[in-house]
Amino acid sequence: DAGVIQSPRHEVTEMGQEVTLRCKPISGHNSLFWYRQTMMRGLELLIYFNNNVPIDDSGMPEDRFSAKMPNASFSTLKIQPSEPRDSAVYFCASRYSGGAIDEQFFGPGTRLTVL
Amino acid sequence: QKEVEQNSGPLSVPEGAIASLNCTYSDRGSQSFFWYRQYSGKSPELIMFIYSNGDKEDGRFTAQLNKASQYVSLLIRDSQPSDSATYLCAVRGEKLTFGTGTRLTIIP
Repeated sequence: DAGVIQSPRHEVTEMGQEVTLRCKPISGHNSLFWYRQTMMRGLELLIYFNNNVPIDDSGMPEDRFSAKMPNASFSTLKIQPSEPRDSAVYFCASRYSGGAIDEQFFGPGTRLTVL
Repeated sequence: QKEVEQNSGPLSVPEGAIASLNCTYSDRGSQSFFWYRQYSGKSPELIMFIYSNGDKEDGRFTAQLNKASQYVSLLIRDSQPSDSATYLCAVRGEKLTFGTGTRLTIIP
């Protein structure tokens, strides 16, 4: 299996622009998570989906952030408009919720820089 | 108080020695505890999990859990330079919450 796939790997944009991050979870996994990692705040859960349905979006910082999962193999995280404080590494992770081990598998991350 | 607390380090340990990483958590209802390793510029990967009080050993790694003290630790025996990384403690209550990580450096 290719693992969790994220694109782009790096994104540099200017303040006010729209940013879309993409994720393809591991085939057969039914839970998908979006995290943001910064030096100051560590790894923060933004939102997670079970069977394509958003379950908990309490970590989404504000209305500028939105996430969708139109099918089991694709999810997007959108920031509109972007701000410099959104600069971080964004990870997507997936897991099979019926497994014996509660293990999340992380993608390589998207490093976002907002100028 | 943060939900999951770790000493950010850096923690420097000589090669071959035991590295001890500690984590405390605030939610007494937490049921599952995990240690993830993250190399610089890479994504986190699960290395240990523990559900019950006591010790769990896997190769050079031992996870220790004390629910009464709300404390979980990771011991790395015979530390190797390849163990140099940031170690993230994660605790599952209603959701999986990560600590900010401890940066470990093994000195050859």
